[in-house]
Amino acid sequence: VIWMTQSPSLLSASTGDRVTISCRMSQGISSYLAWYQQKPGKAPELLIYAASTLQSGVPSRFSGSGSGTDFTLTISCLQSEDFATYYCQQYYSFPWTFGQGTKVEIK
Amino acid sequence: EVQLVESGGGLVQPGGSLRLSCAASGFTFSSYSMNWVRQAPGKGLEWVSYISSSSSTIYYADSVKGRFTISRDNAKNSLYLQMNSLRDEDTAVYYCAREGGGGYNYFDYWGQGTLVTVSS
Repeated sequence: VIWMTQSPSLLSASTGDRVTISCRMSQGISSYLAWYQQKPGKAPELLIYAASTLQSGVPSRFSGSGSGTDFTLTISCLQSEDFATYYCQQYYSFPWTFGQGTKVEIK
Repeated sequence: EVQLVESGGGLVQPGGSLRLSCAASGFTFSSYSMNWVRQAPGKGLEWVSYISSSSSTIYYADSVKGRFTISRDNAKNSLYLQMNSLRDEDTAVYYCAREGGGGYNYFDYWGQGTLVTVSS
């Protein structure tokens, strides 16, 4: 099983801030990493796959980087609609696993 | 437009059974692998089960192996999850999710979820 450590678990930020979320793997996964955004009471939505490829329709202020064991999601200029919980997910090997989540809240 | 609509959730006693369904539309269902992912109240996401497009390959999380059975009917564009011997810890919102394509198992489309509550 590939274990994932996502940090921070809670991030307080203001509109316009640049924020970064980290996801670290217990073993290398090449670039088989996805990021999701989830708002309360809603299903998760795919933001990024293959570590850095933006899903169609996702604003360009979102970006992903990394390979191997260390990955980052960056929101370049936080908007009001970005306050949500973010999850990373590895799909390198079964069982597919998720990070614990990072809640981005209004400071 | 891709749509995934789950149904079948509800309240069930420990040890009971429930069958979830996911109706797919807006894409060629038979060409995609599908998954179930769940989320306990106030908790994170947990992958539950995977089925390939032809049903030839099936995986389960250890937490449900031997109790849950995933299946699909490509003629009906439907995905199923038969859940037996339910436990309190199976209480969650269950989502069906489509694989991202190209054989890569990230999840590009999700249903709205169906709530399963296991309680006496």
